[in-house]
Amino acid sequence: ILNVEQSPQSLHVQEGDSTNFTCSFPSSNFYALHWYRWETAKSPEALFVMTLNGDEKKKGRISATLNTKEGYSYLYIKGSQPEDSATYLCALYSGAGSYQLTFGKGTKLSVIP
Amino acid sequence: DSGVTQTPKHLITATGQRVTLRCSPRSGDLSVYWYQQSLDQGLQFLIQYYNGEERAKGNILERFSAQQFPDLHSELNLSSLELGDSALYFCASSVRTGGDGYTFGSGTRLTVV
Repeated sequence: ILNVEQSPQSLHVQEGDSTNFTCSFPSSNFYALHWYRWETAKSPEALFVMTLNGDEKKKGRISATLNTKEGYSYLYIKGSQPEDSATYLCALYSGAGSYQLTFGKGTKLSVIP
Repeated sequence: DSGVTQTPKHLITATGQRVTLRCSPRSGDLSVYWYQQSLDQGLQFLIQYYNGEERAKGNILERFSAQQFPDLHSELNLSSLELGDSALYFCASSVRTGGDGYTFGSGTRLTVV
């Protein structure tokens, strides 16, 4: 059973603050890492797919980095806005006969206006 | 609209009953995945179908079963329901595997009373 850990579990920040959170995974089982953004009462939406060690992806104020050797990915949000409030999920695809994504429990971000 | 249609959105039923959840994948996607999210738990993988055939099985109870039909829509059947089965059930689809990334449906909130 793959163990994908996310920390912190929840986070409250003031509008305008920058923040980051972590996704850890077993480095020996890595094929790809996905980040999703999940707003309350909606379905999770894809943010990034990361496959290469050292990968950096950016979408607006949100960016992510990947370290496959040590088994972690960081998600950064610059200048948080209330509309960034959501749960951020990371999910590991390990390949090697496994067909599905294994999800972490998520980091719930609340941005206070 | 993500392109993945999941019905119903909400379901309230009594213990011991049987329910069917339905999912139509995004056009062009051959794989359908079912996940369960209970309180304080992450998305737990239940089962995957690819082009009509079961491909991967996770922590799916024997009381639960699923299938994918020739038109690629999928149904998840939950029987002999218990209070602990109350959860949010998500369907997701992908072209082939989790490595392609998921498109999620809006989820079915099941409440067993």
